[in-house]
Parts: sequence; C-alpha cells; structure tokens
Amino acid sequence: DAGVIQSPRHEVTEMGQEVTLRCKPISGHNSLFWYRQTMMRGLELLIYFNNNVPIDDSGMPEDRFSAKMPNASFSTLKIQPSEPRDSAVYFCASSRVAHEQYFGPGTRLTVT
Amino acid sequence: DQQVKQNSPSLSVQEGRISILNCDYTNSMFDYFLWYKKYPAEGPTFLISISSIKDKNEDGRFTVFLNKSAKHLSLHIVPSQPGDSAVYFCAATGGSNYKLTFGKGTLLTVNP
Repeated sequence: DAGVIQSPRHEVTEMGQEVTLRCKPISGHNSLFWYRQTMMRGLELLIYFNNNVPIDDSGMPEDRFSAKMPNASFSTLKIQPSEPRDSAVYFCASSRVAHEQYFGPGTRLTVT
Repeated sequence: DQQVKQNSPSLSVQEGRISILNCDYTNSMFDYFLWYKKYPAEGPTFLISISSIKDKNEDGRFTVFLNKSAKHLSLHIVPSQPGDSAVYFCAATGGSNYKLTFGKGTLLTVNP
C-alpha cells in the first residue's frame, strides 16, 4: 500500500512567488491534515479536513495561506505571495482511525 | 505557550540499555497521548499511544507510562537498538478532537 504522497519534495522559490504543495492521502482515509515544522515552533497543525470539508483552519498563519481538498484523494496548500519566513518543512498526514495519523515525507520549502 | 513539552532536546544511550524519553503537558483536557518517531528526510511515524484511562501501554520493546496527576508521560525502549536512533515526538489530544499538539521532539542516539 502506498503511503501519503507529497510533491514536490523540495521547492526553492523567490519571495513574492506563489507556491503550491500537493498531497495524496492514503486511500480510504477520511481525514487529512497539513502541518508545518520549523526549528522555532516545532510541528504545528495548519488545517485539517474531514470528508473533504475543512474542520479547523485556526492554525493557518494568515490570508496568504489557503488549502483545498476538491476530492478524497487530493489536497493542496497554497502560499501566495510567499515570504522568507514561510521557509519550513510542510507535512501532509491522513487518518482513518481517530488520532493515528500517517504522515507523508514532507516538502522542504525555501523562500529566498 | 507550549502545551506539550519535551525538555530534553537530545539523549544518548548505549545499545542494549534502556532509553527513557519524557514528556510533560499542561492542558488537563488532553486525554489521549501518542509517540511518533521521525528519521531524517521522512515524515513522523506512529509508534505507540495511551488513553488517559490507562497508566501503561506496552508494545514489544516500547512501553508508555502515563502519570495523570503529574501530567507526565514517558516512553521506555528496552533494549535500545541503533536503529532506534531518531527524533521522538510526544503528542496529545483531547476528546474526539482530531487535533494533535506536538512537543518539539527529543533526538535519541543509540550507540553500538
């Protein structure tokens, strides 16, 4: 069984550019989570979806960040415009059973 | 304010000995706790969990202990193996909420 798939694995972009991160959850999982990991703040939940509906987006830092889940097998996290302080590793996770989340390998984003 | 704290950024242990990783929490609404393991360039993987109705849960070499009165949990690995070298994250959640709050992690190094 394939795990959570994220693309790209690495992204380097210039300040002001739009960045789109992609996630394919594990088939059959009905919850999807986006996290950001930084040295200063550790792993933070940005947003989570249940049955493709956003349930809690209180972790989204500001309006420059948006996330969508058009269907059960795909989600995007978009940053527009990007800033250097957005540099971090972004993880997508999915789950079927409450609490036991399966993480993807992450996307390392560098904004210069 | 950090609701889940892992006060030891790193721990070094000899192969075959016991590794003890500690975690403290402040939110009394937390009732389910998890440990995740993370290797470099990979996402965190679920290791073991415990509900607040228990004080111990064991899975092979891994045992998690929960002390609710002290708001403290620990992960014991016995015997430790070099392949256990990774960053270990403690996480907590409350009620039926899927939202996990993570500690900043402890880097465990098991020396051969």
